[in-house]
Amino acid sequence: SAVISQKPSRDICQRGTSLTIQCQVDSQVTMMFWYRQQPGQSLTLIATANQGSEATYESGFVIDKFPISRPNLTFSTLTVSNMSPEDSSIYLCSVSESTGTQYFGPGTRLLVL
Amino acid sequence: GESVGLHLPTLSVQEGDNSIINCAYSNSASDYFIWYKQESGKGPQFIIDIRSNMDKRQGQRVTVLLNKTVKHLSLQIAATQPGDSAVYFCAGTSGSGGGADGLTFGKGTHLIIQP
Repeated sequence: SAVISQKPSRDICQRGTSLTIQCQVDSQVTMMFWYRQQPGQSLTLIATANQGSEATYESGFVIDKFPISRPNLTFSTLTVSNMSPEDSSIYLCSVSESTGTQYFGPGTRLLVL
Repeated sequence: GESVGLHLPTLSVQEGDNSIINCAYSNSASDYFIWYKQESGKGPQFIIDIRSNMDKRQGQRVTVLLNKTVKHLSLQIAATQPGDSAVYFCAGTSGSGGGADGLTFGKGTHLIIQP
């Protein structure tokens, strides 16, 4: 399976600011995904990032709040914009194989004060 | 849309016993399911998967059972060890495959192994 890294691993931010999270994969992948995991809860899909096209967002998530870039087949970024304490979560990227299996990065733990 | 959920939020078992974690799903179009293990401070780790054309799949100390009639799947862990303590999530997808679809996750079960 692919090795996935995320930066930063954690951060504490002030409300109203923005944070860009990076996801790096050690092999070329077509599909990358971004999920949010709120404290003590399960994972929720934010968007699907396909290289060369605009990200596809799930209901409840919008591009202005969570802009995503996918410049090549090994890298993606998720920005959490104009943050509020409600954005405090773990943000995870994943990649999929053609079988549909998804593998996850270690996550970015975000605390917004 | 897809809905995947779990029956129990916490499961406590004695070390060496077998564990069974359950999951229900609502979308009949779901055709691929994955169980993940998430340890504190880490991302979800793939354990085992199963497709809808199968009823059972076995791995090392783990077995996943799928009952499409009642839309239920379970994860069985044999001879639990302290390292099995974690939160376990089931996830499913109703897409056509090819790796293009996101996953819908259940709420998670916290498995606690008692010494």
